[in-house]
Parts: sequence; structure tokens; C-alpha cells
Amino acid sequence: NAGVTQTPKFRVLKTGQSMTLLCAQDMNHEYMYWYRQDPGMGLRLIHYSVGEGTTAKGEVPDGYNVSRLKKQNFLLGLESAAPSQTSVYFCASSYELTTAIYFGEGSWLTVV
Amino acid sequence: QQPVQSPQAVILREGEDAVINCSSSKALYSVHWYRQKHGEAPVFLMILLKGGEQKGHDKISASFNEKKQQSSLYLTASQLSYSGTYFCGTAGGGGSNYKLTFGKGTLLTVNP
Repeated sequence: NAGVTQTPKFRVLKTGQSMTLLCAQDMNHEYMYWYRQDPGMGLRLIHYSVGEGTTAKGEVPDGYNVSRLKKQNFLLGLESAAPSQTSVYFCASSYELTTAIYFGEGSWLTVV
Repeated sequence: QQPVQSPQAVILREGEDAVINCSSSKALYSVHWYRQKHGEAPVFLMILLKGGEQKGHDKISASFNEKKQQSSLYLTASQLSYSGTYFCGTAGGGGSNYKLTFGKGTLLTVNP
């Protein structure tokens, strides 16, 4: 019962570097989401996908790109990392919007 | 646009009751409630849908007032295990129906 798996769990980047966060779910969910969590800000939606091959912008999409080439995977890319992108990133998935959302364990990213 | 949660924080003694409110400036189709323990991923509690009934399990229940675009989470006879940050997530109708946006959270502390 893996559920939603995120890799890596921890990463330190230098400003300007790029990286990709991988999210994989084994529940055959249509919907997938990337959120970031910062102290006092709650969970803010970066990008989401309503099915394989689709992506859409959330509340805070600038500086990030996503791809969903396979139904079970949702990748989040940082093109040129900035210190403002230091955060905890959560991937999540759901069968439909009106069903429970299951979160991964989070990825702690620090940009120096 | 993020829903607004109140209060921001609440401290209880074991056995006391609490109410957490969530309000939105736009029409809502569904409201989700999640609890997050420190350093962990958010965990699903319940969903309330437009036109649906008040939901609950054990001593945690919630209501959804569609006309006022508000939801409330009720925690009765609180237990130490209820401690954590509670988030409401809202989804609107129409084009925004596919994305869930979360409030900033309410920190609940239950003391012995």
C-alpha cells in the first residue's frame, strides 16, 4: 500500500539550479496536485492535473512547470531555483474532486 | 482565492469542545476538512457537498451552509490525539470546479 510517493524527501539546491520532484500514485486516481506549504500560509496549489496529458495552473504557478505523461506520475520542475522556493512540497491525488485527497509525505526543499 | 479560517489557534483542555469555521467569498460546491500533525502529511477527515447533509464520525462533525458559503468543524469531548492543524479546502463551481484551495489552517492544542 504505497499510496502517494514523493522523491526526493530532502534536497538542497543552489540558486539558479534546476530540479524535478517526482510524484507517483498507485491508486489509479485521475486527479493529481502539487501544493507548497510555508509557515502561516497553509497549503497553496501550484499546479494540478485532471487526467493523463493534462495540466493546469493553480494559485502560485510562477517558476514551476509540470508534466503528466503517465496517469500514475506527476512531475514538478523548478527551472531556475530561487530562495523564495524554499518550502515543503506536497503531492496529492484523488479519484474525483468530491472524494478524499491523499497526500504524499512531503519533500523538503531548501534553496541557498 | 483562499478560504478564511477562524480562529487561527485554539487551546483546549481534554474533554472540552471546539468549533473551527471556514468561509469563502465565492459560491462553493464542496468543502473538505483535513488534519495535519507536525512534520506529517495532511490526513483526510471529511467532505461536505452542496445539497448534502451534515457529516460526522465519532466526535468530529461538520456542517456546510451553502447560502452563507461557510462550513464549520465541530470537535466534541476533545482528546489529546485531536491536536494538530486543521485545514479546510474549498472547491467552487463552474470552471474552478477542478481545483481545491486550502485555508491557512487552525492550530488546535489539546492539553491534559
